[in-house]
Amino acid sequence: DTAVSQTPKYLVTQMGNDKSIKCEQNLGHDTMYWYKQDSKKFLKIMFSYNNKELIINETVPNRFSPKSPDKAHLNLHINSLELGDSAVYFCASGKGVRTSPLHFGNGTRLTVT
Amino acid sequence: GQQVMQIPQYQHVQEGEDFTTYCNSSTTLSNIQWYKQRPGGHPVFLIQLVKSGEVKKQKRLTFQFGEAKKNSSLHITATQTTDVGTYFCAGPQGGSEKLVFGKGTKLTVNP
Repeated sequence: DTAVSQTPKYLVTQMGNDKSIKCEQNLGHDTMYWYKQDSKKFLKIMFSYNNKELIINETVPNRFSPKSPDKAHLNLHINSLELGDSAVYFCASGKGVRTSPLHFGNGTRLTVT
Repeated sequence: GQQVMQIPQYQHVQEGEDFTTYCNSSTTLSNIQWYKQRPGGHPVFLIQLVKSGEVKKQKRLTFQFGEAKKNSSLHITATQTTDVGTYFCAGPQGGSEKLVFGKGTKLTVNP
């Protein structure tokens, strides 16, 4: 009965490869997010979707492309991976109102070698 | 854009000592949220403060929202080893859905 689930938990890959991370939430929330947490633990928002529509698109390289097939799913595809992409990527969901708290997934630790 | 500053970055305490982390925003916040991230874990929502001057308690944790709604604090009384982790404050940026996180305060507790 996991609320926000991400796969895979760990991802080790070489520079130049393309990889995807999947996220699903069963909370019935309208809004989903991708956050990146770097080695210094700083949490930075990347994207947000509300009911399958992109509403937040931060200054992220266009090698990163989110896709939301429905409001319960938000995937992240990364092309031509670089060393600097190594981080923990968290998916989160919320009710879509600015006052609503976020529920985070367990994270995907991406290591690019 | 709005920034949420959090201090201190690190705090080491002996078990039983108190701990406080402070959060300051460059703009007035409609609300502020606090999250805890255990080592190797994910951020977990603790509480949300909405009203000016609001104070909320959760057992040994006391959360305050400033009168001007630009600052907040989290105080832990008599820390325990289970309190270790990084504590983040977060506030919505302007009128958007974007939740901006502070850089967090990493708490370690020596038994």
